[in-house]
Amino acid sequence: QQPVQSPQAVILREGEDAVINCSSSKALYSVHWYRQKHGEAPVFLMILLKGGEQKGHEKISASFNEKKQQSSLYLTASQLSYSGTYFCGTEWETSGSRLTFGEGTQLTVNP
Amino acid sequence: DAEITQSPRHKITETGRQVTLACHQTWNHNNMFWYRQDLGHGLRLIHYSYGVQDTNKGEVSDGYSVSRSNTEDLPLTLESAASSQTSVYFCASRRQSNTEAFFGQGTRLTVV
Repeated sequence: QQPVQSPQAVILREGEDAVINCSSSKALYSVHWYRQKHGEAPVFLMILLKGGEQKGHEKISASFNEKKQQSSLYLTASQLSYSGTYFCGTEWETSGSRLTFGEGTQLTVNP
Repeated sequence: DAEITQSPRHKITETGRQVTLACHQTWNHNNMFWYRQDLGHGLRLIHYSYGVQDTNKGEVSDGYSVSRSNTEDLPLTLESAASSQTSVYFCASRRQSNTEAFFGQGTRLTVV
């Protein structure tokens, strides 16, 4: 069962902020975030572990709410290079190393 | 540098033919995965392996099989290709749970 991402798509102007959400119906062990440019492979951004950890990566950060089984990706002061499709990948407590991805959120940053 | 490679990058095949997509990684990772990517569905897990001789079915495994005879390779076989299997296929590997996954460049498969 895939995690649910929202929104499905978002369009921004350069410098604006965005939030992408990922929720799971199963207890999460960790959440991964990846970005994919058109025609390329997904590229790793960050991992969040069970425990409500928040991580940052330049102007991209994420949080993990264990109680709600949700993670959010925050993109601040967006740049043109942030355009792409963002995927959350989840590991459940009972899934071992199996990594299941959501349907993706298409982010477009315009000048 | 260690890497993960897929071959071929593009493939056109006919309905009913058997097709094998190759995936080779040089990180010595135990965990390997095959996903298919279709518009509106994101990345869906087909099969995965935690080590040599270990294979497991994912969410959309019907019509696909894998084998793991060594650490480096996880070939994906379409037993009898169908038009519904037209997709972009990604292979990925990682060392263990809670580590990042590395993706191959993908194989675009068209079944006509």
